[in-house]
Amino acid sequence: DQQVKQNSPSLSVQEGRISILNCDYTNSMFDYFLWYKKYPAEGPTFLISISSIKDKNEDGRFTVFLNKSAKHLSLHIVPSQPGDSAVYFCAASAQTGANNLFFGTGTRLTVIP
Amino acid sequence: GAVVSQHPSWVICKSGTSVKIECRSLDFQATTMFWYRQFPKQSLMLMATSNEGSKATYEQGVEKDKFLINHASLTLSTLTVTSAHPEDSSFYICSARGQGWTEAFFGQGTRLTVV
Repeated sequence: DQQVKQNSPSLSVQEGRISILNCDYTNSMFDYFLWYKKYPAEGPTFLISISSIKDKNEDGRFTVFLNKSAKHLSLHIVPSQPGDSAVYFCAASAQTGANNLFFGTGTRLTVIP
Repeated sequence: GAVVSQHPSWVICKSGTSVKIECRSLDFQATTMFWYRQFPKQSLMLMATSNEGSKATYEQGVEKDKFLINHASLTLSTLTVTSAHPEDSSFYICSARGQGWTEAFFGQGTRLTVV
């Protein structure tokens, strides 16, 4: 049972525009959410996180929004750059720093120059 | 961020042989290390969690006798796939976390192909 879902397997965006990657979850016990970026044949790299006490967290070009009532989070990248092209995973845990991170299946972002 | 190195990055082995994958934290002490497996077009699935000096905790459905995990020091954990079969072919990734940290940092992964 997939507790974290990324329903869009791929997304293409023009350079300079905004990229919006979406993630939905089913477990109401999740209270900590992370986004990872992954290049082919490499491990994921941590991007940004948010705890359930906040609804927005911003770090440079990356902003994560959390809608707890909808069990939905999104990652906004603005402006998008060709180097942002990668697979993005969202992940969730039921406790900050908990062992078990539940990952989505990933969204492949392609930023077109 | 902290650096986690995983070795080898890819390996091909014959069916029935064993393969060892190393995960090292290069610039911090990793009190906890995690091993994940990723099948094509699927999410990362946690296999086991290991704390330095103690036995690993395996997730449901993961055979502990097949996937041997050793976390003998604060900078090294190993995953040994014993008697590998073609269905064990996958991308294996480790991550490591220091004491009190909220984020874990990932290694670059190991592509295992069993022929």
